[in-house]
Order: sequence, then C-alpha cells, then structure tokens
Amino acid sequence: GAVVSQHPSWVICKSGTSVKIECRSLDFQATTMFWYRQFPKQSLMLMATSNEGSKATYEQGVEKDKFLINHASLTLSTLTVTSAHPEDSSFYICSGLAGGGNEQFFGPGTRLTVL
Amino acid sequence: QKEVEQNSGPLSVPEGAIASLNCTYSDRGSQSFFWYRQYSGKSPELIMFIYSNGDKEDGRFTAQLNKASQYVSLLIRDSQPSDSATYLCAVEMDSSYKLIFGSGTRLLVRP
Repeated sequence: GAVVSQHPSWVICKSGTSVKIECRSLDFQATTMFWYRQFPKQSLMLMATSNEGSKATYEQGVEKDKFLINHASLTLSTLTVTSAHPEDSSFYICSGLAGGGNEQFFGPGTRLTVL
Repeated sequence: QKEVEQNSGPLSVPEGAIASLNCTYSDRGSQSFFWYRQYSGKSPELIMFIYSNGDKEDGRFTAQLNKASQYVSLLIRDSQPSDSATYLCAVEMDSSYKLIFGSGTRLLVRP
C-alpha cells in the first residue's frame, strides 16, 4: 500500500514560535495532499487542500496566514504553524491522494503541544 | 452545512459477536463513502470504501450503503478484542476528493 510519512511525530514548542511539519509520500506521487486537525475526542477536521505547484485551498475558518502550506513537489507538502498558541495544540494529520484514484493515504500524524 | 453523523458509543460487544456501526449523511449527492479505523493516538487507517447501493464484503467486514435513506453501515463479524477502536465514517464532498468525517463510534470488544 501507499505510504505517507510525517516529521516530526511530536513537537513541543513555546507560545509565539513557529513549527514546521513535513508530509512525504514515500512510494507514490501525491498530486493532492490534505491537512487535517484533530482535537481530543473529536473527529478529523479538514484544514486545507494542497495541490503541487499551486496555492493551497483553505476551509472556512482556517487562517491561511497562520497555517502556511507549501506543496513544492509531488512527494512533499509542509504545514507551518506560525506564532503558535496553546489553542493550536492538536494532532495534525496529512494525507496524500495518488493520481487516478480517490483513496487518501494518511500519514501517522504529528502531535503538537504549545506551552 | 454538510454533515456526517455517528453515534459516539461506546458500543460494547462480546468477542465473536457481530458489531454494527451506523452512519448517516446529509448531502444526497454524495457518491463515495469510506470507513476508517483509528486507534488511540494513531492516524486513521482505511478499512473499506463503497460507492454503490447494497453490500460490499471484505473478509470480516461488510459495508452497506443505502443512498435513498442516506445511510451507510459497517458490520464486523467475529469481533476480536483487537477490533476495539474508534470507527470513522467519511463521505466525499462534491466529487472533490475532500472528505467529511463523522465524529466516530468507539467500539469495545470484550474478551
């Protein structure tokens, strides 16, 4: 099956700092990648859709200037949480969509804790 | 607002029993439906998807879709303690590949 990795798997940072999370498709080219956020005991909420070489599309209520997404290649997308605050603490999960299908392959997630 | 509804549970079944998980969705135009399993602290893993009305079987799992009733379910036969997890129903939005997830049903399989 298709494999997606995320780095780091967990991160703790101070309030006001920025954190970058990488999402890589290891054995397929992901034409589209999605970024989700999951708070404790809640479901996954789609934050944005990222297509290689173009600007990300953000869901309603997600601040594009706070959550910077770059999809520079068919195997790498990054999410940067800028000026992180404690309320940004969450489980961030990416997924990749291989060309020709609609199955999303999920990364293992990154747990962000902002102190 | 497009929605996917699931009973949060927990649904508790004895080992070897059939577990039945249900999901309803609000967008009548939805065409693709997915069931994911999520263990605590882990990301979701795909169990199966279904596009057509009726049943789709894969090993111990059967997905059932009724588009007229806007209802999709997952049956797990011969439930095992290792099946204990949260099961997420996801519906594709507008053929856009975007998924809307339900809040999940927590399943507990008692040994």
